[in-house]
Amino acid sequence: AQKITQTQPGMFVQEKEAVTLDCTYDTSDPSYGLFWYKQPSSGEMIFLIYQGSYDQQNATEGRYSLNFQKARKSANLVISASQLGDSAMYFCAMRETTPGGSNYKLTFGKGTLLTVNP
Amino acid sequence: DTGVSQNPRHKITKRGQNVTFRCDPISEHNRLYWYRQTLGQGPEFLTYFQNEAQLEKSRLLSDRFSAERPKGSFSTLEIQRTEQGDSAMYLCASRSPLGEAFFGQGTRLTVV
Repeated sequence: AQKITQTQPGMFVQEKEAVTLDCTYDTSDPSYGLFWYKQPSSGEMIFLIYQGSYDQQNATEGRYSLNFQKARKSANLVISASQLGDSAMYFCAMRETTPGGSNYKLTFGKGTLLTVNP
Repeated sequence: DTGVSQNPRHKITKRGQNVTFRCDPISEHNRLYWYRQTLGQGPEFLTYFQNEAQLEKSRLLSDRFSAERPKGSFSTLEIQRTEQGDSAMYLCASRSPLGEAFFGQGTRLTVV
């Protein structure tokens, strides 16, 4: 069963404007974590931001913020003041615990290709 | 460079050949992961090491795939008798026990 859903295959935004990338998730684990990664054409997955399921406040990291709505199971990424260098694939991921809870692995969505126009 | 290093960055091989990829994690990270990413998809978990022990393998990891992490440092992923369906980006990640995962730049495999 798909656990991370990113419904926007592609998004366009004008430079200096804000953009929201959508992510919904499904889990029955009360303890989980949500991540956003950026993947430029070079292929590396770059960690952007993390939200824990018990965190009371939405996570922020510079121009990135995570709009966490637990009841709706959504974890949207907001990028403010877009820059040309923000053009890349963006992946939402969820941390799952393996049996025994000693470790976690990440389950990724299919990604959203963001294009920032000058 | 103190990040996760993967070699080679690109590999083109003929169907039926064996290939081996290497991952050098961040030195203090004892946990190491391999993921596979096909075109248009997000990365999918393949296998996980804690130190030298391989603790979990995905059902995606067929018998043709084998991963090792001798001495708990670098790791290798070998694919035997490659098939065209093995063409993908193979990503390695490492983390410390309480930290977040850092990824390498991946090895892009093309099977012709």
